[in-house]
Amino acid sequence: ETGVTQSPTHLIKTRGQQVTLRCSSQSGHNTVSWYQQALGQGPQFIFQYYREEENGRGNFPPRFSGLQFPNYSSELNVNALELDDSALYLCASSFAGGLTEAFFGQGTRLTVV
Amino acid sequence: QKEVEQNSGPLSVPEGAIASLNCTYSDRGSQSFFWYRQYSGKSPELIMFIYSNGDKEDGRFTAQLNKASQYVSLLIRDSQPSDSATYLCAALRGSTLGRLYFGRGTQLTVWP
Repeated sequence: ETGVTQSPTHLIKTRGQQVTLRCSSQSGHNTVSWYQQALGQGPQFIFQYYREEENGRGNFPPRFSGLQFPNYSSELNVNALELDDSALYLCASSFAGGLTEAFFGQGTRLTVV
Repeated sequence: QKEVEQNSGPLSVPEGAIASLNCTYSDRGSQSFFWYRQYSGKSPELIMFIYSNGDKEDGRFTAQLNKASQYVSLLIRDSQPSDSATYLCAALRGSTLGRLYFGRGTQLTVWP
């Protein structure tokens, strides 16, 4: 167990809907990163939050957005869902200033139909 | 060219053998390298990381880094069936707030 928790674990949404995924970081960690992992692929970086601000973004459209809260937990929001958004969404917790080992939560499996 | 390349396998070894997993990276600015194990349907689990040239050992696992060749490897000694999983190599680029670039993973099967 990494101490990083994500909710929900599974979700089914309809194309065009909006979804919010949540992540609680490991104790002592102040940085949260989100990754999307399509079937058979490695995780792809979506964005990272540090001190409640976005700090770096991957090649994802603006309909992917996020938040970080004062307790370092985070949300990932996806608007106007598309079928290709179906994937495992992973939250990674790390500590800026350390060796930045990133520990992953159990993931949220999103299916868009 | 992808940031991190891995042979997707599958790699199949008998129980007790050494499994060798390889990874290359394209950006010389990458500073640290991580190996994650991922069981089917589960999230990646950190095995170990390395940031200095040479070998780093942790139990049955040895990570090797050659920055001149931009090559990272993971050796698993005395492989067990429970080691059967997908192994992801990741490179950290940037500052301590940098992002991880993952390869697509190598599927390892250890047969009894």
